[in-house]
Amino acid sequence: KNQVEQSPQSLIILEGKNCTLQCNYTVSPFSNLRWYKQDTGRGPVSLTIMTFSENTKSNGRYTATLDADTKQSSLHITASQLSDSASYICVVSDRGSTLGRLYFGRGTQLTVWP
Amino acid sequence: EADIYQTPRYLVIGTGKKITLECSQTMGHDKMYWYQQDPGMELHLIHYSYGVNSTEKGDLSSESTVSRIRTEHFPLTLESARPSHTSQYLCASSESSQGSYNEQFFGPGTRLTVL
Repeated sequence: KNQVEQSPQSLIILEGKNCTLQCNYTVSPFSNLRWYKQDTGRGPVSLTIMTFSENTKSNGRYTATLDADTKQSSLHITASQLSDSASYICVVSDRGSTLGRLYFGRGTQLTVWP
Repeated sequence: EADIYQTPRYLVIGTGKKITLECSQTMGHDKMYWYQQDPGMELHLIHYSYGVNSTEKGDLSSESTVSRIRTEHFPLTLESARPSHTSQYLCASSESSQGSYNEQFFGPGTRLTVL
């Protein structure tokens, strides 16, 4: 069964601190993995996308890693800001359908305190 | 910022009412999608479309229906709303080309509450 599991479920950190969010997946055949940021009451916005051959991708203070062998990914946030408070969703796409089906994790709810 | 719009953003209605959630995109994308999301839960695909006059049901069974008469427009309709339909509904679109990695762009969502 294709699944995406994220940890932790929620995380509270102080402004300026770093944090790392985890994603494990069983989706096969694998196409790509994305991290989305979803603010409360808004739609998800893409942060990074990685294909099978990529093992790291950065977008400003966000750095994602991918280990396709162990089917794990992480999202590292550096020097957190209050605006980083949001849900971070790991999304994996398969190659097995013309639709390019997406499999969503439940997200990690990050709260940054001043 | 993706050019995909949803209206209304918030809707509170009584049981038994008919509602239509609007979704429009100006990117010329062929593929469009409707997702349902409850708090703290993952997004579930309820409908999708490959293009005009194409509609398919997604993974999660839904009593809603959709139509795709124009490329840019993908409305979702509930004939008789019930409290179990209370949820957030997200619309998304994507290109058809393989090079796009099927990146989906999401609208802001409609928060539906049925009393």
